Amino acid sequence: GAVVSQHPSWVICKSGTSVKIECRSLDFQATTMFWYRQFPKQSLMLMATSNEGSKATYEQGVEKDKFLINHASLTLSTLTVTSAHPEDSSFYICSAYTLQGAYEQYFGPGTRLTVT
Amino acid sequence: AQSVTQPDIHITVSEGASLELRCNYSYGATPYLFWYVQSPGQGLQLLLKYFSGDTLVQGIKGFEAEFKRSQSSFNLRKPSVHWSDAAEYFCALLNTGTASKLTFGTGTRLQVTL
Repeated sequence: GAVVSQHPSWVICKSGTSVKIECRSLDFQATTMFWYRQFPKQSLMLMATSNEGSKATYEQGVEKDKFLINHASLTLSTLTVTSAHPEDSSFYICSAYTLQGAYEQYFGPGTRLTVT
Repeated sequence: AQSVTQPDIHITVSEGASLELRCNYSYGATPYLFWYVQSPGQGLQLLLKYFSGDTLVQGIKGFEAEFKRSQSSFNLRKPSVHWSDAAEYFCALLNTGTASKLTFGTGTRLQVTL
Protein backbone atom coordinates (compact mmCIF):
# COMPACT_ATOMS: atom_id res chain seq x y z
CA GLY A 1 0.00 0.00 0.00
CA ALA A 2 0.82 3.74 0.09
CA VAL A 3 2.02 4.04 -3.47
CA VAL A 4 2.67 7.38 -5.10
CA SER A 5 3.18 7.74 -8.82
CA GLN A 6 4.53 10.56 -10.93
CA HIS A 7 4.03 11.21 -14.59
CA PRO A 8 6.01 11.65 -16.68
CA SER A 9 9.15 10.03 -15.32
CA TRP A 10 11.23 12.21 -17.58
CA VAL A 11 10.53 15.05 -19.96
CA ILE A 12 12.51 17.22 -22.31
CA CYS A 13 11.08 20.55 -23.34
CA LYS A 14 12.21 23.65 -25.15
CA SER A 15 12.96 26.88 -23.38
CA GLY A 16 9.86 29.03 -23.03
CA THR A 17 7.36 26.21 -22.99
CA SER A 18 5.40 24.91 -20.02
CA VAL A 19 5.51 21.44 -18.54
CA LYS A 20 3.02 19.73 -16.25
CA ILE A 21 4.01 17.01 -13.81
CA GLU A 22 1.39 14.85 -12.12
CA CYS A 23 1.60 13.28 -8.70
CA ARG A 24 -0.97 10.68 -7.71
CA SER A 25 -1.58 8.70 -4.57
CA LEU A 26 -2.77 5.38 -5.93
CA ASP A 27 -4.25 3.61 -2.94
CA PHE A 28 -4.90 6.26 -0.36
CA GLN A 29 -6.24 9.76 -0.03
CA ALA A 30 -3.59 12.35 0.58
CA THR A 31 -4.54 15.28 2.74
CA THR A 32 -1.31 17.01 1.84
CA MET A 33 1.18 16.73 -0.97
CA PHE A 34 4.67 18.15 -1.04
CA TRP A 35 6.80 19.11 -4.00
CA TYR A 36 10.58 18.92 -3.81
CA ARG A 37 13.37 19.85 -6.17
CA GLN A 38 16.68 18.04 -6.23
CA PHE A 39 19.76 19.15 -8.10
CA PRO A 40 22.41 16.56 -9.01
CA LYS A 41 24.21 15.17 -6.00
CA GLN A 42 22.29 17.46 -3.67
CA SER A 43 19.58 17.07 -1.10
CA LEU A 44 15.87 17.60 -1.53
CA MET A 45 14.63 21.15 -1.20
CA LEU A 46 10.98 21.66 -0.38
CA MET A 47 9.30 23.89 -2.92
CA ALA A 48 5.72 23.95 -1.75
CA THR A 49 3.03 22.28 0.28
CA SER A 50 -0.40 21.72 -1.20
CA ASN A 51 -3.64 20.76 0.45
CA GLU A 52 -6.64 19.57 -1.48
CA GLY A 53 -8.93 22.39 -2.45
CA SER A 54 -6.75 25.20 -1.22
CA LYS A 55 -3.88 27.29 -2.49
CA ALA A 56 -0.40 25.91 -2.19
CA THR A 57 2.02 27.31 0.32
CA TYR A 58 5.37 28.09 -1.25
CA GLU A 59 8.72 28.10 0.47
CA GLN A 60 10.72 31.27 0.58
CA GLY A 61 12.44 31.95 -2.69
CA VAL A 62 10.18 29.77 -4.82
CA GLU A 63 8.34 31.71 -7.53
CA LYS A 64 4.69 30.79 -7.24
CA ASP A 65 3.90 32.23 -10.67
CA LYS A 66 6.52 30.05 -12.24
CA PHE A 67 5.77 26.84 -10.39
CA LEU A 68 2.00 26.47 -10.43
CA ILE A 69 0.62 23.85 -8.11
CA ASN A 70 -2.93 22.54 -8.27
CA HIS A 71 -4.24 20.01 -5.78
CA ALA A 72 -7.54 19.23 -7.42
CA SER A 73 -8.44 16.11 -5.49
CA LEU A 74 -7.31 13.96 -2.59
CA THR A 75 -5.34 11.79 -4.99
CA LEU A 76 -3.89 14.22 -7.50
CA SER A 77 -1.58 17.19 -7.39
CA THR A 78 0.06 18.81 -10.38
CA LEU A 79 3.13 20.99 -10.75
CA THR A 80 3.35 23.14 -13.84
CA VAL A 81 6.65 24.74 -14.68
CA THR A 82 5.73 27.76 -16.75
CA SER A 83 8.00 29.38 -19.31
CA ALA A 84 10.71 26.88 -18.51
CA HIS A 85 14.36 27.81 -18.80
CA PRO A 86 17.49 25.64 -18.71
CA GLU A 87 18.05 26.55 -15.05
CA ASP A 88 14.74 24.85 -14.24
CA SER A 89 16.23 21.54 -15.31
CA SER A 90 16.16 19.36 -12.24
CA PHE A 91 14.70 16.28 -10.60
CA TYR A 92 11.26 16.98 -9.16
CA ILE A 93 9.89 14.68 -6.49
CA CYS A 94 6.48 14.73 -4.88
CA SER A 95 5.35 13.14 -1.66
CA ALA A 96 1.95 12.50 -0.20
CA TYR A 97 0.90 12.63 3.38
CA THR A 98 -2.17 11.27 5.09
CA LEU A 99 -3.32 11.72 8.63
CA GLN A 100 -3.53 7.95 8.92
CA GLY A 101 0.10 7.59 7.89
CA ALA A 102 1.59 8.41 11.28
CA TYR A 103 3.54 11.39 9.98
CA GLU A 104 5.11 9.41 7.18
CA GLN A 105 5.41 10.96 3.74
CA TYR A 106 5.21 8.60 0.80
CA PHE A 107 7.46 9.61 -2.07
CA GLY A 108 6.94 9.36 -5.78
CA PRO A 109 9.68 8.08 -8.09
CA GLY A 110 10.52 11.55 -9.35
CA THR A 111 10.43 13.37 -12.69
CA ARG A 112 13.55 14.38 -14.53
CA LEU A 113 13.01 17.66 -16.36
CA THR A 114 15.49 18.83 -18.97
CA VAL A 115 14.96 22.20 -20.61
CA THR A 116 16.88 22.79 -23.82
CA ALA B 1 15.48 26.75 13.60
CA GLN B 2 15.62 23.05 13.03
CA SER B 3 18.40 21.47 11.06
CA VAL B 4 19.87 18.13 10.10
CA THR B 5 23.56 17.54 9.55
CA GLN B 6 25.12 14.58 7.83
CA PRO B 7 28.85 15.11 8.28
CA ASP B 8 29.96 12.53 5.76
CA ILE B 9 29.35 13.40 2.13
CA HIS B 10 30.82 10.19 0.77
CA ILE B 11 31.67 6.87 2.41
CA THR B 12 33.25 3.80 0.86
CA VAL B 13 33.06 0.41 2.52
CA SER B 14 33.90 -3.09 1.45
CA GLU B 15 31.14 -5.58 0.94
CA GLY B 16 30.57 -7.49 4.14
CA ALA B 17 31.96 -4.72 6.33
CA SER B 18 29.90 -2.87 8.89
CA LEU B 19 28.47 0.55 8.21
CA GLU B 20 27.57 3.58 10.26
CA LEU B 21 26.18 6.76 8.75
CA ARG B 22 26.05 9.77 11.00
CA CYS B 23 23.16 12.14 11.49
CA ASN B 24 22.89 15.02 13.92
CA TYR B 25 19.86 17.17 14.41
CA SER B 26 18.87 20.41 16.02
CA TYR B 27 15.27 20.74 17.19
CA GLY B 28 13.60 22.32 20.16
CA ALA B 29 11.14 19.55 20.90
CA THR B 30 10.97 15.78 20.70
CA PRO B 31 12.25 14.93 17.23
CA TYR B 32 10.57 12.66 14.76
CA LEU B 33 13.42 11.25 12.67
CA PHE B 34 13.64 9.29 9.47
CA TRP B 35 16.24 7.62 7.31
CA TYR B 36 15.58 7.36 3.58
CA VAL B 37 17.55 5.70 0.79
CA GLN B 38 17.64 6.89 -2.79
CA SER B 39 19.02 4.92 -5.69
CA PRO B 40 20.19 6.90 -8.75
CA GLY B 41 17.30 8.49 -10.60
CA GLN B 42 14.77 7.14 -8.15
CA GLY B 43 12.51 8.45 -5.44
CA LEU B 44 13.03 7.95 -1.73
CA GLN B 45 12.40 4.76 0.17
CA LEU B 46 11.86 4.82 3.90
CA LEU B 47 14.34 2.67 5.81
CA LEU B 48 13.14 3.39 9.33
CA LYS B 49 11.73 6.04 11.60
CA TYR B 50 11.84 7.08 15.23
CA PHE B 51 9.01 8.80 17.03
CA SER B 52 9.33 7.65 20.61
CA GLY B 53 9.93 4.60 22.75
CA ASP B 54 12.82 2.24 22.23
CA THR B 55 15.80 4.24 21.08
CA LEU B 56 17.10 1.40 18.88
CA VAL B 57 14.93 1.21 15.81
CA GLN B 58 14.90 -1.64 13.33
CA GLY B 59 14.22 -1.01 9.69
CA ILE B 60 14.10 -2.72 6.38
CA LYS B 61 17.03 -4.32 4.54
CA GLY B 62 18.82 -5.09 7.80
CA PHE B 63 19.31 -1.47 8.83
CA GLU B 64 18.94 -0.11 12.32
CA ALA B 65 19.37 3.30 13.90
CA GLU B 66 19.93 4.48 17.43
CA PHE B 67 18.48 7.68 18.80
CA LYS B 68 20.70 9.42 21.33
CA ARG B 69 19.09 12.49 22.77
CA SER B 70 22.20 13.51 24.72
CA GLN B 71 24.19 13.63 21.50
CA SER B 72 21.37 14.86 19.25
CA SER B 73 22.17 11.99 16.95
CA PHE B 74 20.34 9.35 14.98
CA ASN B 75 23.03 7.23 13.33
CA LEU B 76 22.20 4.52 10.84
CA ARG B 77 23.96 1.18 11.05
CA LYS B 78 24.19 -2.09 9.22
CA PRO B 79 26.36 -4.98 10.40
CA SER B 80 27.22 -6.31 6.95
CA VAL B 81 26.90 -4.23 3.81
CA HIS B 82 25.84 -5.69 0.48
CA TRP B 83 26.83 -4.28 -2.91
CA SER B 84 23.18 -3.43 -3.52
CA ASP B 85 23.27 -0.99 -0.59
CA ALA B 86 25.25 1.48 -2.69
CA ALA B 87 23.01 4.54 -2.84
CA GLU B 88 22.40 7.97 -1.34
CA TYR B 89 21.15 8.05 2.23
CA PHE B 90 19.22 10.93 3.72
CA CYS B 91 18.40 11.64 7.32
CA ALA B 92 15.30 13.77 7.85
CA LEU B 93 13.57 15.55 10.70
CA LEU B 94 9.85 16.14 10.84
CA ASN B 95 8.49 19.45 12.02
CA THR B 96 5.16 18.44 13.47
CA GLY B 97 4.24 22.03 14.03
CA THR B 98 4.38 23.28 10.45
CA ALA B 99 2.25 21.11 8.22
CA SER B 100 4.46 18.11 8.80
CA LYS B 101 7.35 19.40 6.76
CA LEU B 102 10.51 17.38 6.49
CA THR B 103 13.96 18.88 6.78
CA PHE B 104 16.57 16.79 5.02
CA GLY B 105 20.24 16.46 5.63
CA THR B 106 22.61 16.89 2.73
CA GLY B 107 22.90 13.18 2.23
CA THR B 108 25.69 10.60 2.35
CA ARG B 109 26.67 8.73 -0.77
CA LEU B 110 27.62 5.14 0.00
CA GLN B 111 29.94 3.30 -2.30
CA VAL B 112 30.47 -0.42 -1.79
CA THR B 113 33.59 -2.10 -3.09
CA LEU B 114 33.67 -5.79 -3.88
